Amino acid sequence: DSGVTQTPKHLITATGQRVTLRCSPRSGDLSVYWYQQSLDQGLQFLIQYYNGEERAKGNILERFSAQQFPDLHSELNLSSLELGDSALYFCASSEWDTSIGELFFGEGSRLTVL
Amino acid sequence: ILNVEQSPQSLHVQEGDSTNFTCSFPSSNFYALHWYRWETAKSPEALFVMTLNGDEKKKGRISATLNTKEGYSYLYIKGSQPEDSATYLCAFINSNYQLIWGAGTKLIIKP
Repeated sequence: DSGVTQTPKHLITATGQRVTLRCSPRSGDLSVYWYQQSLDQGLQFLIQYYNGEERAKGNILERFSAQQFPDLHSELNLSSLELGDSALYFCASSEWDTSIGELFFGEGSRLTVL
Repeated sequence: ILNVEQSPQSLHVQEGDSTNFTCSFPSSNFYALHWYRWETAKSPEALFVMTLNGDEKKKGRISATLNTKEGYSYLYIKGSQPEDSATYLCAFINSNYQLIWGAGTKLIIKP
């Protein structure tokens, strides 16, 4: 158990809809990272927050947004969903503001868009 | 090398045999290298964080070496067991603290 909690574990929704994925980082970790893993693809970095502020941005679509709250949990909002958004979304946390320390991954939220 | 490359892409190894695979990365602007193990239906789990040229790390039957001058790291597994079956990912961190993932080596241990 990494200490990182993601909810929901599974989510099935329709195209055009909006969903919110939630992540609670490991106790004491200030950084939260969001990754997308599509079928047969590697980890695609979406965005990182550190202590409530956006720290780094990857290949995140404009239809997606994220935030980190004062209690350090984070939410990833996916809107106007398309079939291609079906993927496993991982959250990872770290105590550092940069990627110098190991990342602790949650178990992921599997999103299926029908 | 501009990207992080892992080879081979996949590997079938007989139980009990030892094996190794490679992560190649840019030899300039090195800051750190991470190795992760990613078992099917689970999440990636850190194995090693390596920062110094010549670093050697060991955890049980798994060990890793680092050559920052030539830009490669080897992961070794001694006496492979079925539970070693997983995808092994390396992640290169440059001096701007950007993390770049390799595509992974998928290891399958045959009983």
